[in-house]
Amino acid sequence: DTEVTQTPKHLVMGMTNKKSLKCEQHMGHRAMYWYKQKAKKPPELMFVYSYEKLSINESVPSRFSPECPNSSLLNLHLHALQPEDSALYLCASSQTPDRVYEQFFGPGTRLTVL
Amino acid sequence: SQQGEEDPQALSIQEGENATMNCSYKTSINNLQWYRQNSGRGLVHLILIRSNEREKHSGRLRVTLDTSKKSSSLLITASRAADTASYFCATDEEYGNKLVFGAGTILRVKS
Repeated sequence: DTEVTQTPKHLVMGMTNKKSLKCEQHMGHRAMYWYKQKAKKPPELMFVYSYEKLSINESVPSRFSPECPNSSLLNLHLHALQPEDSALYLCASSQTPDRVYEQFFGPGTRLTVL
Repeated sequence: SQQGEEDPQALSIQEGENATMNCSYKTSINNLQWYRQNSGRGLVHLILIRSNEREKHSGRLRVTLDTSKKSSSLLITASRAADTASYFCATDEEYGNKLVFGAGTILRVKS
């Protein structure tokens, strides 16, 4: 199974809502990533989890809260978001965090904040 | 932070023609990767070239790397309409464990 799955595909939320994005992989990968991508822009790294521990936080606002409950699952909890947070949120995984190898990406969650 | 710059920003060609995209980066790297993204979807890994390699082939793809010029090129031969997508180069920071993506090239292949 070489697939990274993300749910939901689309999410519309108000600025006072709390929601979560979910990402799952069953490739035995020990590094998982969250990226944010605005239209016509490259993906921007948000967080890196290495062996289920947060290893990189790219100065992301605290309204985004990542969680890695186990080696297959990655969540991104959202609270009090702003309209400018509307974007495509991509999850990815790679075999090991020790060196940057090929990353496998999920299809993304299209988030709209009203 | 954005390490790679890609050129051209957009490219439109006829089916059957070759497409060449270029990527430049700023710091020393261990490897450089190319990814494809169909509209609004996730990225798909195409090819990885290590800093000690100069050229690599995969099917209709040919990638070159010139570390002295800090640049790479991706050649897609005999393009197809299905190659229509955005293409990104991505580099690792030499002492880091993350990828930094270039701005991307939007390729349109007309049938």
